[in-house]
Amino acid sequence: AQTVTQSQPEMSVQEAETVTLSCTYDTSESDYYLFWYKQPPSRQMILVIRQEAYKQQNATENRFSVNFQKAAKSFSLKISDSQLGDAAMYFCAWTGRPTGNQFYFGTGTSLTVIP
Amino acid sequence: KAGVTQTPRYLIKTRGQQVTLSCSPISGHRSVSWYQQTPGQGLQFLFEYFSETQRNKGNFPGRFSGRQFSNSRSEMNVSTLELGDSALYLCASSLALDTQETQYFGPGTRLLVL
Repeated sequence: AQTVTQSQPEMSVQEAETVTLSCTYDTSESDYYLFWYKQPPSRQMILVIRQEAYKQQNATENRFSVNFQKAAKSFSLKISDSQLGDAAMYFCAWTGRPTGNQFYFGTGTSLTVIP
Repeated sequence: KAGVTQTPRYLIKTRGQQVTLSCSPISGHRSVSWYQQTPGQGLQFLFEYFSETQRNKGNFPGRFSGRQFSNSRSEMNVSTLELGDSALYLCASSLALDTQETQYFGPGTRLLVL
């Protein structure tokens, strides 16, 4: 079975600083995809970044980047120059070919941005 | 392009009643998945529909069912509501099946069972 673990229930960061959110996963599959989603108080799930497991290069999207360590099954999210609008719950998610489009989510990390 | 829409946004029901939630995917998306989000259990997969057929199902009782129409719109139904069914129900759409495409989520329907 696939599992996704986020060991940090809550994190905080000063505005303009950098923060890293951790995620580990367990799978025996070789072909899979990893995602970070953001859920602000509005509860709308918003895609932050996506990583294909076959790509060694870490994905980046503006201020968001990941550190993908396939052997360690680790997928952390780095947010640079944190902004007040980054405050949200962040979910790590896994999906792989055998599971169709089913996503497995971690329990989430609540990020607070301190002005 | 319009995003995923879900109706209604909020719903209050009493135990024993049934409820139907609706989801309209992004235009051109043919796969629709449903998730239940609760503080205790987090995000749990309910089921996925593609081409009007259920392709994948999570570990939920038979009280939870769904369907998909020819225009890819989907509905999920919960019968004989229980207090524990109170949750945010999220619908997500993606282009196709088995492609691990990004899923785009709707705003959710918040269901409260009294």
